[in-house]
Amino acid sequence: DIQLTQSPSFLSASVGDRVTITCRASQGISSYLAWYQQKPGQSPNLLIYVASTLQSGVPSRFSGSGSGTEFTLTISSLQPEDFATYYCQQLNSYPRTFGQGTKVEIK
Amino acid sequence: EEQLVEFGGGLVQPGRSLRLSCTASGFTFGDYAMSWFRQAPGKGLEWVGFIRSKAYGETTEYAASVKGRFTISRDDSKSIAYLQMNSLQTEDTAVYFCTRDKHFDAMDVWGQGTTVTVSS
Repeated sequence: DIQLTQSPSFLSASVGDRVTITCRASQGISSYLAWYQQKPGQSPNLLIYVASTLQSGVPSRFSGSGSGTEFTLTISSLQPEDFATYYCQQLNSYPRTFGQGTKVEIK
Repeated sequence: EEQLVEFGGGLVQPGRSLRLSCTASGFTFGDYAMSWFRQAPGKGLEWVGFIRSKAYGETTEYAASVKGRFTISRDDSKSIAYLQMNSLQTEDTAVYFCTRDKHFDAMDVWGQGTTVTVSS
């Protein structure tokens, strides 16, 4: 199985900060990586797919990059509604695995 | 609006069975694969399995943790996907989500989730 490791697991930031989350895969997954945002009590929301394509309706302050084994999710200017947990997911092979999550909290 | 709604969660004893349903609306259900995920209390997301569309033979894939116990099926005439869960264990306790599966383009529509609690 492909393991995904996110860093950091916890992040404290202020409104307006630039935030970067990293996801490292245990083996190459080409560009088949997605990022989701999940708020407490809600289902996940797709932000980015195939590493860098912004899902329709997602604000442009979110961006993704990377290929192979290292990927990043960047929020260019953190907004109050962005405080949530973020997960990466690989879609290169089965089982489809997730990172452990990165919780972004208000500083 | 593209929407998925799950039904069928509840409290069940270990070793018993439960069937979850996922009703789709707002899109052509039969054109898409469907996946199930779960999230144990306070934990991260776990892929459970998926079923391809009829065009791809409605074949299925499962996580090792549920293979042989869980079965995914679909009824395109009703726009419903099912997750049949047998021999339930306490570690199956989770919120279960169904999703529209666009393969490499990820899961773009999620249901609100239904809670399954396995306890005696």
